[in-house]
Amino acid sequence: GENVGLHLPTLSVQEGDNSIINCAYSNSASDYFIWYKQESGKGPQFIIDIRSNMDKRQGQRVTVLLNKTVKHLSLQIAATQPGDSAVYFCADPVSNYKLTFGKGTLLTVNP
Amino acid sequence: DAGITQSPRHKVTETGTPVTLRCHQTENHRYMYWYRQDPGHGLRLIHYSYGVKDTDKGEVSDGYSVSRSKTEDFLLTLESATSSQTSVYFCAISESSPTYNSPLHFGNGTRLTVT
Repeated sequence: GENVGLHLPTLSVQEGDNSIINCAYSNSASDYFIWYKQESGKGPQFIIDIRSNMDKRQGQRVTVLLNKTVKHLSLQIAATQPGDSAVYFCADPVSNYKLTFGKGTLLTVNP
Repeated sequence: DAGITQSPRHKVTETGTPVTLRCHQTENHRYMYWYRQDPGHGLRLIHYSYGVKDTDKGEVSDGYSVSRSKTEDFLLTLESATSSQTSVYFCAISESSPTYNSPLHFGNGTRLTVT
């Protein structure tokens, strides 16, 4: 079965608002997590990652939060833009060479 | 696209025919992967490679084989294509194992239709 999953399959926000995409994982031993963005017709694009020894990591307009107690991580996108419209996946390694992905959340940004 | 080229980008083939998809990378990364993506199933690992001539099966490897004779190329072969193999296929690369905090980077995919 999957080690990661998403609470919401779709999220619709207004341009300029902040977006929060959530992800739950089941493997308490997971120590590394990755967020990907996938636009229509393209491959998944690496956004940001976080190690389990961190609670928060920031990138350009994105922040990932990790709560190991409840096995939950979230991706926050500040000042969401139309170009942010895409499917977002979280993922974690399940073995030395294998990455398991959640099914994704579709983010739609309304102008 | 992290220096990853997949070819062809689109392919239509008939049931029972062999098909080979190619992934070429210019990053000199050791690890390469083939995933398929289907509605309702997300991304699923078919095969992966951890070095030249070193490959192993993923979770949906039946009906697929792979070869890696050079660092830069990873080939996926459908020996006898079936309609259930209609999908979008993504190649990915990583510098190290994902358990060593090394993210995968993906190509833009090959859309395969088996009629």
